[in-house]
Amino acid sequence: HTVVTQEPSLSVSPGGTVTLTCGLSSGSVSTTSYPSWYQQTPGQAPRTLIYTTNTRSSGVPDRFSGSILGNKAALTITGAQADDESDYYCVLYMGSGISVFGGGTKLTVL
Amino acid sequence: QLQESGPGLVRPSETLSLTCTVSGGSLLSGSFYWGWIRQPPGKGLEWIGNIFFTGSTYYNPSLESRVTISVDTSRNQFSLKLRSVTAADTAVYYCAGLDGSRLNFDYWGQGTLVTASS
Repeated sequence: HTVVTQEPSLSVSPGGTVTLTCGLSSGSVSTTSYPSWYQQTPGQAPRTLIYTTNTRSSGVPDRFSGSILGNKAALTITGAQADDESDYYCVLYMGSGISVFGGGTKLTVL
Repeated sequence: QLQESGPGLVRPSETLSLTCTVSGGSLLSGSFYWGWIRQPPGKGLEWIGNIFFTGSTYYNPSLESRVTISVDTSRNQFSLKLRSVTAADTAVYYCAGLDGSRLNFDYWGQGTLVTASS
């Protein structure tokens, strides 16, 4: 039973840079996991930020970027803004039509 | 656009049933899989399963024994049934469209809260 791991919480100063990661309890994340990242604010449905590792969804500011760092997928926010304070989820494709969400990272901007 | 509908309250041991209506596009599009995702109050997102317009289904192994997802292309709807619910199934249930080539959930419904309680 593979678990997708994320930092439970992170904080960043306004204007600062923060990297959120998405890993596997066993094994490495690669582009074949089709990592995607979602932002969710309270009471709202998630919205896609990044898909296929590093492609920004339409309308997403370029301060959001995706990559593979070591054996994990990563979401980097460069020049964080107050309204970036949200929950962030990654999703990995496990094959055979199965997707798994990470536990989510609560990002605080302060 | 995707819109969930169904009862907001289900009794324990009974079956949760939700429907998602797709507007502005066709379920027959071969570009998307149609799925369900849930989020217990204050917790993270959990993928439940997907269906393709052909009827092919893919389920979360941890829920597979209790879940059925079906599609009605004539009504442009797909549905979720979750059997033998317990309080642990209380959650906001989202329907979503998964891009078949990008494998990201591109479209989401607004979500509907279903409470399992007597």
